[in-house]
Amino acid sequence: DAMVIQNPRYQVTQFGKPVTLSCSQTLNHNVMYWYQQKSSQAPKLLFHYYDKDFNNEADTPDNFQSRRPNTSFCFLDIRSPGLGDAAMYLCATSSGGRTNTQYFGPGTRLTVL
Amino acid sequence: AQTVTQSQPEMSVQEAETVTLSCTYDTSENNYYLFWYKQPPSRQMILVIRQEAYKQQNATENRFSVNFQKAAKSFSLKISDSQLGDTAMYFCAGNYQLIWGAGTKLIIKP
Repeated sequence: DAMVIQNPRYQVTQFGKPVTLSCSQTLNHNVMYWYQQKSSQAPKLLFHYYDKDFNNEADTPDNFQSRRPNTSFCFLDIRSPGLGDAAMYLCATSSGGRTNTQYFGPGTRLTVL
Repeated sequence: AQTVTQSQPEMSVQEAETVTLSCTYDTSENNYYLFWYKQPPSRQMILVIRQEAYKQQNATENRFSVNFQKAAKSFSLKISDSQLGDTAMYFCAGNYQLIWGAGTKLIIKP
């Protein structure tokens, strides 16, 4: 089945220690998104790629970076995680067509010690 | 400003009852889509239903239907014959600028 996969599902890191979260998709979608979601809140869009074009949200901290080496994979790098970065990180994809319907992965739960 | 507003932070109903979740929005776009997403506890976000603004007919998906009032910029979700598995956070979203509502926590009681 076509899907969005996130690895790892749970990640524990230490304060200030860089961490990378991974997302892959078999949907062959043009657009990939990274969201941060804190408990019972709406997802907050960090950035998205339309093909190779990177679109950063204005309020996304510089501490968050992303890479998309090919259509299938996208990475979220947190250069120096702080306690406030502990959250669920959701990856989503869409075809980029008119509807822009997003399909989500299961998320990565990040804990910062 | 383009917005999506969900005014009900939490709702609870008995199993088998019908429940309606409200959503209002504001956009200057002419054509757009609106979505309801469901996020069960500790589980994946999934699409429940979507509505194209140009279509007057309300979208339905089995027990889920919407009441789309374009002039009033209202997009409510009706869940009929609610089931325990419907317990989740429900988010309303618009495809313009990828805007999300704050969510409604729905609890279905046995």
